[in-house]
Amino acid sequence: GENVEQHPSTLSVQEGDSAVIKCTYSDSASNYFPWYKQELGKGPQLIIDIRSNVGEKKDQRIAVTLNKTAKHFSLHITETQPEDSAVYFCAASNGRALTFGSGTRLQVQP
Amino acid sequence: GAGVSQSPSNKVTEKGKDVELRCDPISGHTALYWYRQSLGQGLEFLIYFQGNSAPDKSGLPSDRFSAERTGGSVSTLTIQRTQQEDSAVYLCASSFGQGGEQYFGPGTRLTVT
Repeated sequence: GENVEQHPSTLSVQEGDSAVIKCTYSDSASNYFPWYKQELGKGPQLIIDIRSNVGEKKDQRIAVTLNKTAKHFSLHITETQPEDSAVYFCAASNGRALTFGSGTRLQVQP
Repeated sequence: GAGVSQSPSNKVTEKGKDVELRCDPISGHTALYWYRQSLGQGLEFLIYFQGNSAPDKSGLPSDRFSAERTGGSVSTLTIQRTQQEDSAVYLCASSFGQGGEQYFGPGTRLTVT
């Protein structure tokens, strides 16, 4: 089955700096790669996703890149704000259930 | 519109008792998923329903776990003879068709004492 590895497990940045979270996956059949933000006591919130026919996607301060050859994808957050502090999960799917990474706790220091 | 809702939000039960967790998906979403999140861990897939197809039960950890989806909408996850290791947050998600974007509910925090 699919295996998704995510790093770093924790990331601390100063407000205004950029944050990058990286994931690798094992199943070449995976074709959908979403990113979720989870705040304490809440369910995961979909923040951006990318499909395998696209190499990069951007939505305001958030961007995701995908390298299918190397089987890795990354989340980039620019101009970080304190409200970006949360746990971020990457995931991969071949059209059915999602396989999640282990999460990155992002702390944005004001 | 309304998102995915789950009930109860919290459930405390004694070891050995059965529990039922409910999920109301987004209206019109044909796919429904259950995941489990243990304390400080990532999300683990349990079961997946798509339309009238047979559910994908490949993630269920034991035969104490079962789920059903009635009328293609509401789903109930049942855990029989609960054990302490079943303590976790149980999350439900729905999507518009197979492979669509999955939207999660707030989860049910289950504590087995």
